[in-house]
Amino acid sequence: QSVLTQPPSASGTPGQRVTISCSGSSSNIGSNTVNWYQQLPGTAPKLLIYSNNQRPSGVPDRFSGSKSGTSASLAISGLQSEDEADYYCAAWDDSLNGPNVVFGGGTKLTVL
Amino acid sequence: QVTLKESGPVLVKPTETLTLTCTVSGFSLSNARMGVSWIRQPPGKALEWLAHIFSNDEKSYSTSLKSRLTISKDTSKSQVVLTMTNMDPVDTATYYCARTDYGDPGYFDYWGQGTLVTVSS
Repeated sequence: QSVLTQPPSASGTPGQRVTISCSGSSSNIGSNTVNWYQQLPGTAPKLLIYSNNQRPSGVPDRFSGSKSGTSASLAISGLQSEDEADYYCAAWDDSLNGPNVVFGGGTKLTVL
Repeated sequence: QVTLKESGPVLVKPTETLTLTCTVSGFSLSNARMGVSWIRQPPGKALEWLAHIFSNDEKSYSTSLKSRLTISKDTSKSQVVLTMTNMDPVDTATYYCARTDYGDPGYFDYWGQGTLVTVSS
């Protein structure tokens, strides 16, 4: 059971816009920034979005992130076949039980 | 060019201690803002953060695994070492090290290729 909640799957056709949600709490998303990672099959994760909505150099502007309260979203516009991957959100958690980095359970994106 | 590379055993027996080494290049472990995290991923499952260490030797551990983990670094060798005691088959996973930022420990901008560790007798 992951601390951050993501839908297990999402899908879209080429050219469509899809969004992936990430729900947390006041101790993680509510008080810290959210980062998103893309994991292509058989490879290590790659930083996709940082600080809620910033793109690292080289990441297409088709990818965007947003955050509101204790939830965050990743949007992919102009969906392409190469976007088929697993997507994870992550944030620092200031829980009284002990600070942790927490991940979402991952969302498998299928391009139909 | 920043790179990280994990090394360690591919197979460990239940109850044994796992020792993994992350060798970094392209940045220094003495850099004030940078650190290294260990993250694992069981086959077909989600990412799980394990621990991190920063240049000032500040460390944090996963709450659920804290009693079993130890992270350390050797700045002169550009290496970060993670030990996990009392290994169990459920610890079978690909173990990654990744560069992180002191200002946002959930930020991992460079990752190693990962090393698959299988726990089996």
